[in-house]
Amino acid sequence: DAGITQSPRHKVTETGTPVTLRCHQTENHRYMYWYRQDPGHGLRLIHYSYGVKDTDKGEVSDGYSVSRSKTEDFLLTLESATSSQTSVYFCAIRMTGEGTEAFFGQGTRLTVV
Amino acid sequence: GQQLNQSPQSMFIQEGEDVSMNCTSSSIFNTWLWYKQDPGEGPVLLIALYKAGELTSNGRLTAQFGTTRKDSFLNISASIPSDVGIYFCAGQLFGNKLVFGAGTILRVKS
Repeated sequence: DAGITQSPRHKVTETGTPVTLRCHQTENHRYMYWYRQDPGHGLRLIHYSYGVKDTDKGEVSDGYSVSRSKTEDFLLTLESATSSQTSVYFCAIRMTGEGTEAFFGQGTRLTVV
Repeated sequence: GQQLNQSPQSMFIQEGEDVSMNCTSSSIFNTWLWYKQDPGEGPVLLIALYKAGELTSNGRLTAQFGTTRKDSFLNISASIPSDVGIYFCAGQLFGNKLVFGAGTILRVKS
């Protein structure tokens, strides 16, 4: 158990509504990541954070925003949910420096109807 | 799009057989990681590789970091039914981005 909690675990929302997913860690890791997983695409990086208030875009960042106001929480917001954002979302954490690996949460299944 | 090419996409093998999968890229990576994902769960780290040419084992699993730093492979020896799942390679780029392959689905006949 790498001390990562994602919430909610499941959510159904309507097209056009904003949605926020939360990733909470208890290990004080510096790096946090948000990925989405879709069949045939593996895990694609949405955004990541390398410290409080320090974030950067991944390969599929359009339609998503993130915030990290404290070390333990990394929030992913879908500003106006679309059906193409139906996916399983994973948060990952990683310590800084060499010799460190990313550990994943259990995922959030989001359905946009 | 994906920066890592992972193959094969899926495998259906007999229990007891050895399995091999690989990832290649046009980019140079600092670190290669191999993960396994079971249904309904997040990926779990199997092996981490940090140096070009490094060969690392974890039980029946063996992985290597290619000498060009652009590829890696994972071998599973004497496969068993609980090896089923999706295996992902991941590479760390400069700037601490971690990118993933599309995955290899492993199915084992008992």
